[in-house]
Amino acid sequence: GAGVSQSPSNKVTEKGKDVELRCDPISGHTALYWYRQSLGQGLEFLIYFQGNSAPDKSGLPSDRFSAERTGGSVSTLTIQRTQQEDSAVYLCASSLGGGRGRADTQYFGPGTRLTVL
Amino acid sequence: QKEVEQNSGPLSVPEGAIASLNCTYSDRVSQSFFWYRQYSGKSPELIMSIYSNGDKEDGRFTAQLNKASQYVSLLIRDSQPSDSATYLCAVRGFTNAGKSTFGDGTTLTVKP
Repeated sequence: GAGVSQSPSNKVTEKGKDVELRCDPISGHTALYWYRQSLGQGLEFLIYFQGNSAPDKSGLPSDRFSAERTGGSVSTLTIQRTQQEDSAVYLCASSLGGGRGRADTQYFGPGTRLTVL
Repeated sequence: QKEVEQNSGPLSVPEGAIASLNCTYSDRVSQSFFWYRQYSGKSPELIMSIYSNGDKEDGRFTAQLNKASQYVSLLIRDSQPSDSATYLCAVRGFTNAGKSTFGDGTTLTVKP
């Protein structure tokens, strides 16, 4: 079946502009995650959605970052007033979630490479 | 101190050798441990998960977990050039759900 998809694959923007990144999770997955990966670094957790519960926003680096998930499916990560340090690959993952506990496996999308000039 | 630490490498092994990748974590109540492989320019893919102390084998891969020492490792037997990638260690907390904390990864090169 279809995996996690993200769009755009690449985004170049100017400092100060707003950007929106989109994630389509695997159908039937109730959990959705956003991570950020800077060059040569590991993944930095940003935000986690589980069903209709309040999202875990503990990883968002500043109030310029926000995310929403509409209808329990598609998610949009918005970065306002972008800065050069926001340049990174933004990865989305989804999992079955719910009561799967420790066996819940995250599947990653191909990522969006954001470059802020 | 980072929550999840890995040797950044690069780690270089000859084809056919055993590659050993190590990871330590700081949160003693961590419950779930994962190894992801990430090829250059690609997204991570899960190759092993382990939850209990001891060894877990899957083909050429063996994950080892020692919760008392807060240590998890990945052994790759009969290493192949196609195993050349960055290996990310990830740890999930007590709730068994939600975010995973990732290490910065170890880059492995298998030389023919």
